[in-house]
Order: sequence, then structure tokens, then C-alpha cells
Amino acid sequence: DAGVIQSPRHEVTEMGQEVTLRCKPISGHDYLFWYRQTMMRGLELLIYFNNNVPIDDSGMPEDRFSAKMPNASFSTLKIQPSEPRDSAVYFCASSPSGVAGRRTGELFFGEGSRLTVL
Amino acid sequence: EDKVVQSPLSLVVHEGDTVTLNCSYEVTNFRSLLWYKQEKKAPTFLFMLTSSGIEKKSGRLSSILDKKELFSILNITATQTGDSAIYLCAVVNSGYALNFGKGTSLLVTP
Repeated sequence: DAGVIQSPRHEVTEMGQEVTLRCKPISGHDYLFWYRQTMMRGLELLIYFNNNVPIDDSGMPEDRFSAKMPNASFSTLKIQPSEPRDSAVYFCASSPSGVAGRRTGELFFGEGSRLTVL
Repeated sequence: EDKVVQSPLSLVVHEGDTVTLNCSYEVTNFRSLLWYKQEKKAPTFLFMLTSSGIEKKSGRLSSILDKKELFSILNITATQTGDSAIYLCAVVNSGYALNFGKGTSLLVTP
């Protein structure tokens, strides 16, 4: 399996621009998570989906952030307009339901998208 | 609000030393605790613990969970420079989301 695939790997943009990060989860995984990592705050959960439905978006910083999962093999995280404080590494991760619907809890991470907003 | 606190935040040791990394947590409806290792890129899975007192081992790494005192430790014996990384602790609640601590940055010097 190719693993979780994220794009772009690096993005440098100017304040005010729209940023779209993309993620393809591992086939057959029905949970998808978006995390943000910074030195100050560590890994923060932004939002997660189960079977393409958003379950908890309480970690999304503000209305400038939105996430979608139109089908089981694709998700996007959009920031509009972007600000310098959004600079971080954004990770997408997926997870299977596990045996008999019980999740093991292990996440499979993509390589991350490093965003720099100038 | 769920909370995961790791200590120390950073650590420098010499090759061959043994290190103990700590993780304490407060979480409603605890399901499991996981340890991850993060080098330059994405975190990679080390252990998952669900029951108290059962030690998980993988080579020189081992971990144990205390659900009564709400903490876990990760031990690394005979450290090597390749063990240098950020070690992340995360807890899973009934909502299936992982809540991560800020990590312990370990540097093993030759």
C-alpha cells in the first residue's frame, strides 16, 4: 500500500492567499484526521471524519479553516485567507475500524505539508 | 478537556545510557494510550497500551501503563544515536481521536 499521501509537501504563500492541502488516505481506512504541528503547541487535532462525515471539528482554529471529505479517498483542508500564524506542518492521518469495529487507535500518518505564510 | 503532559520536554544523554520518558494524562472515557517516535517527518507508531501493568517491549524499548495513577512511561535501554527523536504520547478517548502531548525531544550523543 502507498500509505497516506499528502500534497503539496511544501507551500510558501503570502498572507491573505488561499491555501488548499490535500490528502489521500489508505484504502479501506474509514477514519481520517487532520493535525497541525508547531514547536509551541505540538500536534493539535483540527478535525476528523468517519466514513466521510465530519465527527469533531472543535479543533479548527476559526472560520478561516474548512475541511471536506467528498469521498472515501480524498480530503482537503482549506485556509482562506491565510495568516503568518498558520505557518506549521499539517499532517493527515487515517485509521481503520479494526476488528469487529473496534479501533486499535493507531494512526497512519502522511509525510505532512509544511506551510509557510509570509 | 482532555490533557496529556509529557516530561521532560527535552533530554540529552550519552550513548549507552538508559532513559525514562514520562506521560501523564487526564481524559474522559479513556480507551488507550499510544507512543509514537518522530524523527524528521511523520510520527511512527511504537506501542499501544490499554491495560495497566502489562509491559510492552520491542527490542530496547519498553512501556507500561498505570491506569490508576494515570500515567505511562517509555524506557529506552542502551541508547543509540539513532534513538534521537521526538517521542510523542497520545491518549484515545471514546471519540476515537488521539490527543497528543507536546513530546519529549531526545538527543543521544556519541
